[in-house]
Parts: sequence; C-alpha cells; structure tokens
Amino acid sequence: NAGVMQNPRHLVRRRGQEARLRCSPMKGHSHVYWYRQLPEEGLKFMVYLQKENIIDESGMPKERFSAEFPKEGPSILRIQQVVRGDSAAYFCASSPPVSQETQYFGPGTRLLVL
Amino acid sequence: AQSVTQLDSHVSVSEGTPVLLRCNYSSSYSPSLFWYVQHPNKGLQLLLKYTSAATLVKGINGFEAEFKKSETSFHLTKPSAHMSDAAEYFCVVRGSNQGGKLIFGQGTELSVKP
Repeated sequence: NAGVMQNPRHLVRRRGQEARLRCSPMKGHSHVYWYRQLPEEGLKFMVYLQKENIIDESGMPKERFSAEFPKEGPSILRIQQVVRGDSAAYFCASSPPVSQETQYFGPGTRLLVL
Repeated sequence: AQSVTQLDSHVSVSEGTPVLLRCNYSSSYSPSLFWYVQHPNKGLQLLLKYTSAATLVKGINGFEAEFKKSETSFHLTKPSAHMSDAAEYFCVVRGSNQGGKLIFGQGTELSVKP
C-alpha cells in the first residue's frame, strides 16, 4: 500500500506566478488535510477536505489560496500570484473514513518563490 | 481551544543516554495526542498516539510517552539514544473541530552526539 504521495517535491516559482501542489492520499483514504510549514515555524493547519467537499478551511489565507479534492484524481492546493512569503513546505496528510484519529503525511512539496 | 507547548526548542544528548522531550497540552476535554518525527527535508512520521486507552503508550523505534492528566503532560522518552534519532520532534493534539485538524507544537530539535 503506497503512502501519501505529493508532487512535485520541489517547486520554484517567480513572484506573480501560480503554484499547483498535488496530493494523492493513501488507498482507501477519503479525508485529506493540508498543512504549511514556514521557515523556523511549526506546522499550521490550512484546510480539510473530503471528496468534492471542503469541510474546514479555517487555516486558509483569505486570498490567493484555494483547495479542491475532486471525485477523481488528487487533491490540489492552488496558490495564485505567489509572493516570497509563500515560500514554505506544504504537507498533505490523509486519513481513512472510519477513523480520523491518525493522519499519515506525505513527503511534502517545498515551494520556493523567487 | 486546544494547544500544545513543547518546553525545549533544542535537546542534545549523547548516544546511549536517555532522551526526554517535554510536552504540555491544553484541552477542554479528553484529548488525542500524538508525537511525530521529521528528519531533515523529509515528511512526518507518526511515532505514537494516545487516544484515551492506556496512559503509557509505546511507539516505534523504542520511543514511549506517558499521558498524565494531572500534569497535562505527554512527555516523550527513550531509554537509549541512537545517532539515527537526530531529528525534529513534534507534539500534536487533535482539534475538537469536525474532522479533527492537528495542532502542532513548535517542535524540539534533538541532537545526538557520538
């Protein structure tokens, strides 16, 4: 059973460009969470999604950030018009539908904005 | 609201000596608590979790943690450190919101000297 997969692992963007980060949950998992790790900081929750639904987006910045988890395909975290402050590691986690206790993390996408 | 405080930002031990990483939590109800480990430029790996069963929880790689309600603590210990234990450790509490987003402490960096 493959673990949580994220791609790309590293992403470089110039200011003003768009960044798309993808997350494929573990097989059988229907819950996806996104977290951001800024330099010298801990991880902060961004958004929680189930298939085709956003359940909790209380940690998402109000502008430029969006997330989706379509019926088919990976979850996407999209950042429009990136700024240098968006440089961070973005982690995706998934959990099974029956028990939400344990979240399994992917390797992360490290975004660098030049 | 739930929160966790990791009392040490950095801990240094010698190989073969005990490890103690301290964590205090705040929760208005019986919490679910976790310890995750992050090796440099890697994702997060679950070490162990407490979900209101036995208060002494055994995890992977010889780590264990004890839930002490009277002290609101969940310290992580290991009898004998190994060089491969050098990493960042995060104490985590599960939020009370629907779906249970994870709330991370600031992290403790563990160094292991030969």
